[in-house]
Amino acid sequence: ETGVTQSPTHLIKTRGQQVTLRCSSQSGHNTVSWYQQALGQGPQFIFQYYREEENGRGNFPPRFSGLQFPNYSSELNVNALELDDSALYLCASSPGPKAEQFFGPGTRLTVL
Amino acid sequence: GESVGLHLPTLSVQEGDNSIINCAYSNSASDYFIWYKQESGKGPQFIIDIRSNMDKRQGQRVTVLLNKTVKHLSLQIAATQPGDSAVYFCAENSDQFYFGTGTSLTVIP
Repeated sequence: ETGVTQSPTHLIKTRGQQVTLRCSSQSGHNTVSWYQQALGQGPQFIFQYYREEENGRGNFPPRFSGLQFPNYSSELNVNALELDDSALYLCASSPGPKAEQFFGPGTRLTVL
Repeated sequence: GESVGLHLPTLSVQEGDNSIINCAYSNSASDYFIWYKQESGKGPQFIIDIRSNMDKRQGQRVTVLLNKTVKHLSLQIAATQPGDSAVYFCAENSDQFYFGTGTSLTVIP
């Protein structure tokens, strides 16, 4: 167990809706990174938060947004859901932006 | 964009044999590499990492080799066990972490 938790574990939404996913980082870690993993693919970097500020972003549209709280937990928000947003969303906690990342179990999002 | 690729999408080995999983990367600025293991329905699990100032690092039953000249990374698993069956990803870090597609390792008892 990595100590990184994510909620919910599964979620079903319809196209056009909005979703919020949550991640609690490991104790002592100040950095959270979010990834999207489509079936049969490797994780794709969405963005990273370091000490409550966005610290890098992958090739995802602005409807993917995030937040990090003072306790270093984090949220991923996705607006105007599309069918292609169906994937496993992973968060990874680390003691710094370029350090070993520990992943949570993921949230499986299905968009109908 | 970044290109992190794996040479073989699937690998089958007999229990007790050694496994070698390869990975190619394209960004010469990448200076940190991690191997992850992902079992079905779970998040990736850290196996071993290596920084670019090293060419070899060993852990428990695992060894990572880094060849910066040809931008190649490999993971060696000694005495492969059925519990090693999973998908293995390499990840490189330059400005962010880039993951490969993954190699599915199946251990035959």
